[in-house]
Amino acid sequence: SQKIEQNSEALNIQEGKTATLTCNYTNYSPAYLQWYRQDPGRGPVFLLLIRENEKEKRKERLKVTFDTTLKQSLFHITASQPADSATYLCACSFSNDYKLSFGAGTTVTVRA
Amino acid sequence: GAVVSQHPSWVICKSGTSVKIECRSLDFQATTMFWYRQFPKQSLMLMATSNEGSKATYEQGVEKDKFLINHASLTLSTLTVTSAHPEDSSFYICSASTGERAEQFFGPGTRLTVL
Repeated sequence: SQKIEQNSEALNIQEGKTATLTCNYTNYSPAYLQWYRQDPGRGPVFLLLIRENEKEKRKERLKVTFDTTLKQSLFHITASQPADSATYLCACSFSNDYKLSFGAGTTVTVRA
Repeated sequence: GAVVSQHPSWVICKSGTSVKIECRSLDFQATTMFWYRQFPKQSLMLMATSNEGSKATYEQGVEKDKFLINHASLTLSTLTVTSAHPEDSSFYICSASTGERAEQFFGPGTRLTVL
């Protein structure tokens, strides 16, 4: 079965630095991969989507890459701010019915 | 836009009772709604997929008779946890999709505690 692995449970960084999060998947590539932000006790909020045939997507200070050879996506937060502190979830869709499989998440803490 | 609400935001109930959770898409029509369960420090686990006007599709290991899902309209889906037990205590989150775009819009979640 497919597995989604976010290999860092927690990431602590200094304000202004770039946070880089990793998402790896097994077996075959997802049709698309999404990143969500989740704050404690809240539902996830959609951030970015990247398709199998795309290499990179950007949105403001966020950047996501997709490498089907490495079976990996990287999520970058540039010029990080304390307000970026949250758990970031990677989610993959392996079918045409929009069902998502989520990784366990990486909790980012940005120190002022 | 794309706001999804859930009600209640938290509920405490006695073992053996049933609890209904509502999920509404406030400003768009959701052809598909998804129900997830999340235990502390764990990932979201998909429980079922619900399409308006048809029976829900449950993931492997999820008891359809225990977790009743009704998607009565394009803006409302309900999840009823029947005969709840302490092991059903969890964070239940719904999401909605327009069917035209891949991203899902999530509700704020419902914290269920079964005593």
